[in-house]
Amino acid sequence: EAGVVQSPRYKIIEKKQPVAFWCNPISGHNTLYWYLQNLGQGPELLIRYENEEAVDDSQLPKDRFSAERLKGVDSTLKIQPAELGDSAVYLCASSPHRDRETSSGYTFGSGTRLTVV
Amino acid sequence: KQEVTQIPAALSVPEGENLVLNCSFTDSAIYNLQWFRQDPGKGLTSLLLIQSSQREQTSGRLNASLDKSSGRSTLYIAASQPGDSATYLCAVNSGNTPLVFGKGTRLSVIA
Repeated sequence: EAGVVQSPRYKIIEKKQPVAFWCNPISGHNTLYWYLQNLGQGPELLIRYENEEAVDDSQLPKDRFSAERLKGVDSTLKIQPAELGDSAVYLCASSPHRDRETSSGYTFGSGTRLTVV
Repeated sequence: KQEVTQIPAALSVPEGENLVLNCSFTDSAIYNLQWFRQDPGKGLTSLLLIQSSQREQTSGRLNASLDKSSGRSTLYIAASQPGDSATYLCAVNSGNTPLVFGKGTRLSVIA
């Protein structure tokens, strides 16, 4: 099993530029999450998908952030335009269907470390 | 709103020592609790998952306990090694809410 795959691993961009992150969850996992982790902090949820539907995006700053999960498999998170404060690690996670996630837990990818200069 | 606290924030121990990391949560109505390890600049690796009906889980030198009624979990690491140096994160699953994390305990094991 390949695990949750994220790319790129690192990204350095200038402020006001756009950036996109990609995530491929574990095969068969219906639920996909994007988390944001600032330095020295625990991850915080940005958005949760059940298949292709975003069911919890209350913490996503919609003025500059957007996400999509077409076909309910892989997902893309975009920031446009990026700000200095967006420098952080962006983590993707997946879990099986919601009814079973309580027994299987979450599996996280390696994350994308974004630096905005 | 669920809040998760981890104590201590940082810990430095000599190699070979047994140690305990603490996690507390404010709402005891949880489905499960998960301990993760995070190396610098890396993602999260799941260590142990404890269901709400369980008291403890073991994997190798790691043992995690859960006391749901008091809102506490501990991660016990036996015979610590330099390779155990990392940040350890506790996360609580309350079902219909997102996984809530503590800020982590940064562990350094000195050879």
